[in-house]
Amino acid sequence: AQSVAQPEDQVNVAEGNPLTVKCTYSVSGNPYLFWYVQYPNRGLQFLLKYITGDNLVKGSYGFEAEFNKSQTSFHLKKPSALVSDSALYFCAVRDNNFNKFYFGSGTKLNVKP
Amino acid sequence: SQTIHQWPATLVQPVGSPLSLECTVEGTSNPNLYWYRQAAGRGLQLLFYSVGIGQISSEVPQNLSASRPQDRQFILSSKKLLLSDSGFYLCAWREGAGNQPQHFGDGTRLSIL
Repeated sequence: AQSVAQPEDQVNVAEGNPLTVKCTYSVSGNPYLFWYVQYPNRGLQFLLKYITGDNLVKGSYGFEAEFNKSQTSFHLKKPSALVSDSALYFCAVRDNNFNKFYFGSGTKLNVKP
Repeated sequence: SQTIHQWPATLVQPVGSPLSLECTVEGTSNPNLYWYRQAAGRGLQLLFYSVGIGQISSEVPQNLSASRPQDRQFILSSKKLLLSDSGFYLCAWREGAGNQPQHFGDGTRLSIL
């Protein structure tokens, strides 16, 4: 069965510093991985996805993610954090039956000025 | 462009009352549709998904049911709400083919008294 794990409940970073939000996955077959962001009382917004190709995927709002097959990881990164990046971040993997997605438990990112 | 609408945004209901939450999508045809529940601002629990009119897959035994009476309409219902039904309900859609991400509505905050 497919699953993702987000080992950190919360990540704190100072504005202007680089940020990393961790995600590891477990899949049978090729992994199809996604990152989403959620602001309070809002739905999830799609940031980026990895399907195949380059291990470094670029997405919205300056975010990128690095796919590492040997470590089964898909960490979200940003070179310089903004206070407005403070939100809840979710990693997700698509199920092999194509129609279902499994989400991690979420990581709260706090960016302090 | 595609849009997704969920209503109401907030709802307060007494225990034992019925429920109907509606979700509609515009600008696409034959989308996959999903209902999730999010407890305490954290992980998402997949409740139902649908790949076509009248086709509903239930993921977890619940006090809830779903229906898809039209191609772009997805309804979440209950005959008698329980206290445990409180939460943040999210509807999502995605293109029916390919490795496309899900797109989420802004959710319904349901409080059961």
